[in-house]
Amino acid sequence: DIQMTQSPSSLSASVGDRVTITCRASQGISNYLAWFQQKPGKAPKSLIYAASSLQSGVPSKFSGSGSGTDFTLTISSLQPEDFATYYCQQYNSYPPTFGQGTRLEI
Amino acid sequence: EVQLVESGGGLVKPGGSLRLSCAASGFTFSSSTMNWVRQAPGKGLEWVSSISSSSSYIYYADSVKGRFTISRDNAKNSLYLQMNSLRAEDTAVYYCARGTGSGWEIDYWGQGTLVTVSS
Repeated sequence: DIQMTQSPSSLSASVGDRVTITCRASQGISNYLAWFQQKPGKAPKSLIYAASSLQSGVPSKFSGSGSGTDFTLTISSLQPEDFATYYCQQYNSYPPTFGQGTRLEI
Repeated sequence: EVQLVESGGGLVKPGGSLRLSCAASGFTFSSSTMNWVRQAPGKGLEWVSSISSSSSYIYYADSVKGRFTISRDNAKNSLYLQMNSLRAEDTAVYYCARGTGSGWEIDYWGQGTLVTVSS
């Protein structure tokens, strides 16, 4: 199975900050990578697919990049509603696997 | 608007069975791969199973293979997960999720249903 490792596991930031979360795959996955946002007690929400494409309705403050094994999610101008847990997921090969999550805290 | 509504969760004893359902609306269900993803309390996301639009391709995580069965009824716009021989470690919120592209690329999620396996 492909292991997805996110760093950091938790991150403290302030409103207005720009933050970057990293996701590393244990083997190359081309650009078959997605990012999700999850708030406490809620279902995940899809943010990015194909490493850098925004899902419909997702604000442009979210951006993704990377290919192969190293990927990043950047969130600019943090707002209170952005504080959540973020997960990456590879869908290049069976079984699809998720990173352990990055908790973004105020 | 895409909507996925899970049901069927609850408390079950170890070794017991449960059947989850997911009612889909707002898109052409019969053309979409569907997935089940679960999340144990306080833990991360774990993909469980997927089924292609015509049920031709079905996949399971090793952790549930031989115990869980995914199925769908395109006439009823519904997805199912039959869970047998349940274990404590199956305790989780189970999400129904629509796949796109390869099928494992998820774009929409349901609100989830909680399954608790405990004596």
